[in-house]
Amino acid sequence: AQKVTQAQTEISVVEKEDVTLDCVYETRDTTYYLFWYKQPPSGELVFLIRRNSFDEQNEISGRYSWNFQKSTSSFNFTITASQVVDSAVYFCASGGSNYKLTFGKGTLLTVNP
Amino acid sequence: DAGITQSPRHKVTETGTPVTLRCHQTENHRYMYWYRQDPGHGLRLIHYSYGVKDTDKGEVSDGYSVSRSKTEDFLLTLESATSSQTSVYFCATGDTDNEQYFGPGTRLTVT
Repeated sequence: AQKVTQAQTEISVVEKEDVTLDCVYETRDTTYYLFWYKQPPSGELVFLIRRNSFDEQNEISGRYSWNFQKSTSSFNFTITASQVVDSAVYFCASGGSNYKLTFGKGTLLTVNP
Repeated sequence: DAGITQSPRHKVTETGTPVTLRCHQTENHRYMYWYRQDPGHGLRLIHYSYGVKDTDKGEVSDGYSVSRSKTEDFLLTLESATSSQTSVYFCATGDTDNEQYFGPGTRLTVT
C-alpha cells in the first residue's frame, strides 16, 4: 500500500516570498510515480507534474521547482517569488503498478499581498 | 484537459433516496475513477474502472456502486443516500502513463 504525508496543513506567506511544500511518500513498489496537483479556490484539480521513480532529476518550470530525493522518500515542491494567484490547496500523490493514486491530505497555501 | 464532464454539478437530495452521478470523457482513456473530497481527508478513492465492465473497489466503497457500460461513461450510484455521503465527488480518467485528469466535481448534499 502507498502512503503520502503532507505534514504542513496550512502555510501563509507574503507575496514574493519563496515557499516549499513538503511531501513524504511510502511505497513497496520498485517502480512508482509521484504527482503534484493544485486546487485553487474555484475547486478544480489541476495536474502540475509527474515524476517517475527512476528519474531523480529535479525539474523547474518557471517559478515552480520540484526536488525528488529517493534517499529520504521526499518529493518537495518549491514556489519561488510567490504570487497571490498561487493561493490554493496543493496535493501530493503517489501511484504504482495498479494505476491507482494515493493522495496526501493537502497543504493550504495562502499568499498575502 | 482530458475532456471530462460531470453531471449534475450540484445536487441536494434527501436521506434514503437513490442518487446517480455521471462522468463522461472524450479522451478514450482506459481508466476511470471516482473520488470523494472531504475536509481533513484529502481525496479518497471510492471505485475505479480499468475497462468496460471491469471495476474494483477503492478505500471508501461502502454504500456506493459503479457501472461502466462503455468507455466514455462511468456512473456512481448511491443506492440509499446518507448524510455521511455529503461531499464533493470528483471523477478522473487516466491511461497507462499513470497520469490522472479530473472533472470539475459534483457537490452533493444529503439532507
